[in-house]
Amino acid sequence: SAVISQKPSRDICQRGTSLTIQCQVDSQVTMMFWYRQQPGQSLTLIATANQGSEATYESGFVIDKFPISRPNLTFSTLTVSNMSPEDSSIYLCSALRGETQYFGPGTRLLVL
Amino acid sequence: GQQLNQSPQSMFIQEGEDVSMNCTSSSIFNTWLWYKQDPGEGPVLLIALYKAGELTSNGRLTAQFGITRKDSFLNISASIPSDVGIYFCAGPGNTGKLIFGQGTTLQVKP
Repeated sequence: SAVISQKPSRDICQRGTSLTIQCQVDSQVTMMFWYRQQPGQSLTLIATANQGSEATYESGFVIDKFPISRPNLTFSTLTVSNMSPEDSSIYLCSALRGETQYFGPGTRLLVL
Repeated sequence: GQQLNQSPQSMFIQEGEDVSMNCTSSSIFNTWLWYKQDPGEGPVLLIALYKAGELTSNGRLTAQFGITRKDSFLNISASIPSDVGIYFCAGPGNTGKLIFGQGTTLQVKP
């Protein structure tokens, strides 16, 4: 299995500010992903975090709003930029090891 | 695009009862995954199915990969309070990335 930790676990932010979420995996993984889970909803893929190159974003998500870094095989960050109340959500880091995709505990973000 | 439809959307059952939920799609999936998300946590993989017709158990959980490769079900026998949570089916889409169903929320009354 893969153990994934995220920081912060939750935050309350003011609109217009930015928050960077960190994801750390206990050992090297082939792929890392970032998901958003809005209240009462399923998981939506934001982007695939590529090591050493720009992330690959899904339709509806752009780099200016959700810049992502992955400097090595065990660590990634997601920034939620210029936040608005609509960005209030759970942000989940995920990693693929072998054929299994594992998830972090999530970061609960509330934007006022 | 590809979608996974889960039903029921929510269930409220008595402790000790059996539970059944399913997931369907208009597209073929070559892998079916069932995850559980506890309140305040990320999803955890329960069962993975890789072959049409496959029936797999994990303790009180049993899941099957439908013959048509367009559906799967998850059964929980003799439910207990810690079974509470949201159950998601998922499968790799055409791009290889996981697609998730809408989830089935399970509540168990002691």
